[in-house]
Amino acid sequence: SQQGEEDPQALSIQEGENATMNCSYKTSINNLQWYRQNSGRGLVHLILIRSNEREKHSGRLRVTLDTSKKSSSLLITASRAADTASYFCATDAIQGAQKLVFGQGTRLTINP
Amino acid sequence: DAGITQSPRHKVTETGTPVTLRCHQTENHRYMYWYRQDPGHGLRLIHYSYGVKDTDKGEVSDGYSVSRSKTEDFLLTLESATSSQTSVYFCAISGLAGEGELFFGEGSRLTVL
Repeated sequence: SQQGEEDPQALSIQEGENATMNCSYKTSINNLQWYRQNSGRGLVHLILIRSNEREKHSGRLRVTLDTSKKSSSLLITASRAADTASYFCATDAIQGAQKLVFGQGTRLTINP
Repeated sequence: DAGITQSPRHKVTETGTPVTLRCHQTENHRYMYWYRQDPGHGLRLIHYSYGVKDTDKGEVSDGYSVSRSKTEDFLLTLESATSSQTSVYFCAISGLAGEGELFFGEGSRLTVL
Protein backbone atom coordinates (compact mmCIF):
# COMPACT_ATOMS: atom_id res chain seq x y z
CA SER A 1 0.00 0.00 0.00
CA GLN A 2 1.10 3.57 -0.60
CA GLN A 3 2.78 5.32 2.29
CA GLY A 4 2.35 8.78 0.86
CA GLU A 5 -0.78 10.31 -0.60
CA GLU A 6 -0.55 13.57 -2.52
CA ASP A 7 -3.29 16.12 -2.74
CA PRO A 8 -4.50 17.40 -5.11
CA GLN A 9 -4.07 14.82 -7.85
CA ALA A 10 -3.94 17.60 -10.43
CA LEU A 11 -3.37 21.34 -10.17
CA SER A 12 -3.52 23.97 -12.91
CA ILE A 13 -2.43 27.55 -12.25
CA GLN A 14 -1.25 30.63 -14.11
CA GLU A 15 2.40 31.42 -14.53
CA GLY A 16 3.65 33.56 -11.69
CA GLU A 17 1.24 32.13 -9.13
CA ASN A 18 2.29 29.94 -6.24
CA ALA A 19 1.60 26.21 -6.27
CA THR A 20 1.04 24.18 -3.13
CA MET A 21 0.96 20.40 -3.01
CA ASN A 22 0.31 18.29 0.04
CA CYS A 23 1.43 14.85 1.11
CA SER A 24 0.12 12.68 3.91
CA TYR A 25 1.72 9.51 5.16
CA LYS A 26 0.87 6.74 7.57
CA THR A 27 3.85 5.60 9.63
CA SER A 28 6.77 7.22 11.42
CA ILE A 29 9.54 8.30 9.10
CA ASN A 30 13.24 9.10 9.03
CA ASN A 31 12.80 11.71 6.34
CA LEU A 32 10.49 12.83 3.58
CA GLN A 33 11.59 13.71 0.09
CA TRP A 34 10.03 15.43 -2.90
CA TYR A 35 10.74 14.47 -6.48
CA ARG A 36 9.79 15.92 -9.84
CA GLN A 37 9.06 14.01 -13.02
CA ASN A 38 8.83 15.61 -16.41
CA SER A 39 6.72 13.77 -18.95
CA GLY A 40 8.47 10.67 -20.23
CA ARG A 41 11.50 11.11 -17.98
CA GLY A 42 12.85 9.69 -14.76
CA LEU A 43 12.28 11.27 -11.37
CA VAL A 44 14.59 13.98 -10.13
CA HIS A 45 15.23 14.66 -6.47
CA LEU A 46 14.18 18.13 -5.30
CA ILE A 47 14.53 18.33 -1.56
CA LEU A 48 14.79 16.22 1.59
CA ILE A 49 13.46 17.15 5.00
CA ARG A 50 14.37 15.18 8.10
CA SER A 51 11.85 14.16 10.70
CA ASN A 52 13.29 16.65 13.21
CA GLU A 53 12.97 19.58 10.79
CA ARG A 54 9.85 21.65 10.31
CA GLU A 55 10.69 23.73 7.25
CA LYS A 56 13.27 23.78 4.52
CA HIS A 57 13.95 26.04 1.56
CA SER A 58 15.71 25.53 -1.74
CA GLY A 59 15.47 28.32 -4.27
CA ARG A 60 11.76 28.76 -5.09
CA LEU A 61 10.85 25.62 -3.16
CA ARG A 62 9.62 25.58 0.41
CA VAL A 63 8.84 22.32 2.17
CA THR A 64 7.16 21.95 5.53
CA LEU A 65 6.79 18.85 7.65
CA ASP A 66 4.33 18.25 10.46
CA THR A 67 5.10 14.89 12.03
CA SER A 68 2.20 15.17 14.47
CA LYS A 69 -0.19 15.29 11.52
CA LYS A 70 1.96 13.03 9.34
CA SER A 71 1.84 15.55 6.54
CA SER A 72 4.09 17.67 4.37
CA SER A 73 3.60 20.42 1.86
CA LEU A 74 5.62 21.60 -1.12
CA LEU A 75 5.27 25.23 -2.14
CA ILE A 76 6.63 26.44 -5.46
CA THR A 77 6.69 30.21 -5.57
CA ALA A 78 6.50 32.39 -8.69
CA SER A 79 5.74 29.40 -10.91
CA ARG A 80 7.13 29.10 -14.42
CA ALA A 81 6.01 27.12 -17.43
CA ALA A 82 9.06 24.89 -16.92
CA ASP A 83 7.65 23.82 -13.54
CA THR A 84 4.98 21.84 -15.38
CA ALA A 85 5.57 18.27 -14.20
CA SER A 86 4.38 15.63 -11.77
CA TYR A 87 5.54 15.94 -8.18
CA PHE A 88 5.90 13.01 -5.81
CA CYS A 89 6.54 12.74 -2.13
CA ALA A 90 8.48 9.77 -0.83
CA THR A 91 9.03 8.56 2.68
CA ASP A 92 11.82 6.57 4.23
CA ALA A 93 10.07 4.68 6.99
CA ILE A 94 12.24 3.98 10.03
CA GLN A 95 11.82 0.24 9.72
CA GLY A 96 12.58 0.31 6.04
CA ALA A 97 15.83 2.22 5.84
CA GLN A 98 16.90 3.01 2.29
CA LYS A 99 13.54 1.90 0.90
CA LEU A 100 11.59 4.88 -0.34
CA VAL A 101 7.83 4.56 -0.72
CA PHE A 102 6.23 6.97 -3.17
CA GLY A 103 2.82 8.54 -3.35
CA GLN A 104 0.76 8.73 -6.53
CA GLY A 105 1.86 12.25 -7.37
CA THR A 106 0.36 15.64 -8.18
CA ARG A 107 0.23 16.67 -11.82
CA LEU A 108 1.06 20.39 -11.97
CA THR A 109 0.30 22.43 -15.08
CA ILE A 110 1.51 26.00 -15.37
CA ASN A 111 -0.42 27.99 -17.94
CA PRO A 112 1.41 30.85 -19.69
CA ASP B 1 23.68 13.66 -13.86
CA ALA B 2 24.13 10.31 -12.19
CA GLY B 3 25.42 7.65 -14.55
CA ILE B 4 22.49 5.28 -14.84
CA THR B 5 21.62 3.49 -18.03
CA GLN B 6 18.57 1.33 -18.54
CA SER B 7 18.20 -1.08 -21.43
CA PRO B 8 16.19 -1.63 -23.43
CA ARG B 9 14.30 1.66 -23.29
CA HIS B 10 11.33 0.21 -25.13
CA LYS B 11 10.25 -3.37 -25.58
CA VAL B 12 7.15 -5.09 -26.91
CA THR B 13 6.79 -8.76 -26.16
CA GLU B 14 4.17 -11.46 -26.03
CA THR B 15 2.55 -13.09 -23.04
CA GLY B 16 4.58 -15.99 -21.71
CA THR B 17 7.96 -14.88 -23.00
CA PRO B 18 10.87 -14.11 -20.68
CA VAL B 19 12.10 -10.54 -20.44
CA THR B 20 15.21 -9.09 -18.82
CA LEU B 21 15.72 -5.42 -18.13
CA ARG B 22 19.16 -4.15 -17.33
CA CYS B 23 20.27 -1.29 -15.13
CA HIS B 24 23.88 -0.19 -15.33
CA GLN B 25 25.46 2.43 -13.06
CA THR B 26 28.85 4.09 -13.11
CA GLU B 27 28.55 5.70 -9.65
CA ASN B 28 29.63 2.70 -7.57
CA HIS B 29 26.54 3.17 -5.39
CA ARG B 30 25.63 0.41 -2.98
CA TYR B 31 21.86 0.45 -3.28
CA MET B 32 19.94 -0.27 -6.46
CA TYR B 33 16.19 -0.44 -6.94
CA TRP B 34 13.59 -1.45 -9.47
CA TYR B 35 10.27 0.38 -9.45
CA ARG B 36 7.30 0.15 -11.74
CA GLN B 37 5.10 3.11 -12.53
CA ASP B 38 1.47 2.72 -13.47
CA PRO B 39 -1.36 5.26 -13.75
CA GLY B 40 -3.19 5.53 -10.47
CA HIS B 41 -0.49 3.68 -8.54
CA GLY B 42 2.48 5.98 -8.63
CA LEU B 43 5.79 4.18 -8.21
CA ARG B 44 5.87 0.82 -6.51
CA LEU B 45 9.01 -0.97 -5.39
CA ILE B 46 9.58 -4.37 -7.01
CA HIS B 47 12.98 -5.45 -5.67
CA TYR B 48 16.04 -3.78 -4.34
CA SER B 49 19.69 -4.62 -3.72
CA TYR B 50 21.95 -3.52 -0.89
CA GLY B 51 25.11 -5.08 -2.28
CA VAL B 52 26.47 -7.65 -4.68
CA LYS B 53 24.30 -10.75 -4.46
CA ASP B 54 22.25 -9.12 -1.69
CA THR B 55 18.67 -8.50 -2.75
CA ASP B 56 15.28 -8.26 -1.14
CA LYS B 57 11.66 -8.04 -2.15
CA GLY B 58 9.62 -4.91 -2.41
CA GLU B 59 5.90 -4.27 -2.43
CA VAL B 60 5.09 -5.92 -5.78
CA SER B 61 7.70 -8.65 -6.26
CA ASP B 62 5.46 -11.50 -7.48
CA GLY B 63 6.37 -12.53 -11.03
CA TYR B 64 9.75 -10.80 -10.90
CA SER B 65 13.27 -11.88 -10.00
CA VAL B 66 16.48 -9.91 -9.79
CA SER B 67 20.19 -10.53 -9.81
CA ARG B 68 23.21 -8.45 -8.99
CA SER B 69 26.50 -10.16 -9.75
CA LYS B 70 28.45 -6.91 -10.03
CA THR B 71 28.16 -3.58 -8.25
CA GLU B 72 27.30 -1.79 -11.47
CA ASP B 73 24.59 -4.08 -12.86
CA PHE B 74 21.12 -4.91 -11.53
CA LEU B 75 18.95 -7.13 -13.69
CA LEU B 76 15.18 -7.46 -13.49
CA THR B 77 13.71 -10.61 -15.03
CA LEU B 78 10.15 -11.46 -15.85
CA GLU B 79 10.27 -15.22 -16.23
CA SER B 80 6.96 -15.40 -18.09
CA ALA B 81 5.58 -11.98 -18.94
CA THR B 82 1.88 -11.24 -18.42
CA SER B 83 -0.24 -8.33 -19.64
CA SER B 84 -0.44 -7.03 -16.06
CA GLN B 85 3.30 -6.42 -16.22
CA THR B 86 2.87 -3.85 -18.97
CA SER B 87 4.36 -0.80 -17.31
CA VAL B 88 7.21 1.66 -17.21
CA TYR B 89 10.09 0.32 -15.16
CA PHE B 90 12.53 2.60 -13.43
CA CYS B 91 15.89 1.76 -11.97
CA ALA B 92 17.23 3.92 -9.18
CA ILE B 93 20.46 4.06 -7.20
CA SER B 94 21.46 5.45 -3.85
CA GLY B 95 24.86 5.94 -2.31
CA LEU B 96 26.17 5.33 1.19
CA ALA B 97 26.52 9.01 1.98
CA GLY B 98 23.09 9.96 0.75
CA GLU B 99 20.15 10.01 3.10
CA GLY B 100 18.14 7.75 0.86
CA GLU B 101 18.16 10.25 -2.01
CA LEU B 102 17.54 8.27 -5.20
CA PHE B 103 18.91 8.92 -8.67
CA PHE B 104 16.67 7.53 -11.39
CA GLY B 105 17.26 6.16 -14.84
CA GLU B 106 15.15 7.26 -17.79
CA GLY B 107 12.85 4.25 -17.63
CA SER B 108 12.09 1.18 -19.72
CA ARG B 109 8.65 0.99 -21.28
CA LEU B 110 7.48 -2.62 -21.52
CA THR B 111 4.37 -3.69 -23.38
CA VAL B 112 3.17 -7.27 -23.03
CA LEU B 113 0.65 -8.25 -25.68
